[in-house]
Amino acid sequence: GAVVSQHPSWVICKSGTSVKIECRSLDFQATTMFWYRQFPKQSLMLMATSNEGSKATYEQGVEKDKFLINHASLTLSTLTVTSAHPEDSSFYICSANEGTGANVLTFGAGSRLTVL
Amino acid sequence: KQEVTQIPAALSVPEGENLVLNCSFTDSAIYNLQWFRQDPGKGLTSLLLIQSSQREQTSGRLNASLDKSSGRSTLYIAASQPGDSATYLCAVEYGNKLVFGAGTILRVKS
Repeated sequence: GAVVSQHPSWVICKSGTSVKIECRSLDFQATTMFWYRQFPKQSLMLMATSNEGSKATYEQGVEKDKFLINHASLTLSTLTVTSAHPEDSSFYICSANEGTGANVLTFGAGSRLTVL
Repeated sequence: KQEVTQIPAALSVPEGENLVLNCSFTDSAIYNLQWFRQDPGKGLTSLLLIQSSQREQTSGRLNASLDKSSGRSTLYIAASQPGDSATYLCAVEYGNKLVFGAGTILRVKS
């Protein structure tokens, strides 16, 4: 079946640094990928829709300059958390649409970010 | 505002029990509704997808129902097993956007 890989699975960084998270579709091409954020005991919240070859579409309230998304190829999207602060600590999950049917999404395993 | 609510937030049952997880949504103009399973530290696994025109879907011991008019869905798990312990998430699709509930943490005790 379709597989989406995220890297790193967990990362700890100092406040003020930038962190890049990669999302790869391993055996299919994805023109669209989605980035979600999940705070403890809360829902997954869609942050942005990543479109290959064009700018990402951000949800209301998500800072574009804070969360940089690059979808450079049909199998890779990256999320960069710039100048990270402790409040950015969260679980970030990406998903990709296999394109085989009604929004059949495959999710990555997630990346746990802790900002000290 | 499109909101998805899941009740209960947590559930603990002995092995072998049948159980029901509830999901409600405020906007009934949905494309479909999905139930996911999330194991600790892992990503999401899709369990069942119900199209807006369908009333229910079944897979093994799982049965999901959908009532659009009342804005509700239930996930029924028959003969629960310890391996069913996980967080179960309900997600409603509006256009190309999924809105998730906060999840129900299920623990099945052996």
